[in-house]
Amino acid sequence: DAGVIQSPRHEVTEMGQEVTLRCKPISGHDYLFWYRQTMMRGLELLIYFNNNVPIDDSGMPEDRFSAKMPNASFSNLKIQPSEPRDSAVYFCASRGGDREGETQYFGPGTRLLVL
Amino acid sequence: DQQVKQNSPSLSVQEGRISILNCDYTNSMFDYFLWYKKYPAEGPTFLISISSIKDKNEDGRFTVFLNKSAKHLSLHIVPSQPGDSAVYFCAASRRGTSYGKLTFGQGTILTVHP
Repeated sequence: DAGVIQSPRHEVTEMGQEVTLRCKPISGHDYLFWYRQTMMRGLELLIYFNNNVPIDDSGMPEDRFSAKMPNASFSNLKIQPSEPRDSAVYFCASRGGDREGETQYFGPGTRLLVL
Repeated sequence: DQQVKQNSPSLSVQEGRISILNCDYTNSMFDYFLWYKKYPAEGPTFLISISSIKDKNEDGRFTVFLNKSAKHLSLHIVPSQPGDSAVYFCAASRRGTSYGKLTFGQGTILTVHP
């Protein structure tokens, strides 16, 4: 089992550029989550999907951020235009259904640096 | 509004001794709690969880205690090993709903010295 796959692992871009982060969840998982980790705010949930439908995007910082899940095997998080304060590690996680003991499995993260 | 708090940014322990990591929460609606471990350049990995109907859950060297009246949980690692050195996050959620979302604490850096 490959686990959650994220790409790229590292991204360096200049302010104003569009950034796209990609995630492939574990096959068969119904939920997909996007998190951001910063020194100041720790791990914070940005948005999550259930069966490809966005359920809660209240953590998305502003309109510059958008996320889609066109099918069960793929999601992307876009930042347009990017700003230096967006520099962080972005994690994708997936989970099965709502049974007892279901846990979220995290990908390795994308380290984003906006100059 | 930080609903899950880990007030100790770091903890240093000697190998073989007990490590105790603490976590407090404010939202009384939380009914499921988890601990994750994170190594550098990796994503968090699930360690152990506990439902609010229990006050203790044990898995090998790891035990989680829940005190609902105090809104406090702790993770005990006995005996501690150098490989346990990592960042530990506690997280809370509301099960039984379609939410499934986790609220994380800030993390505690555990260092276990040989």
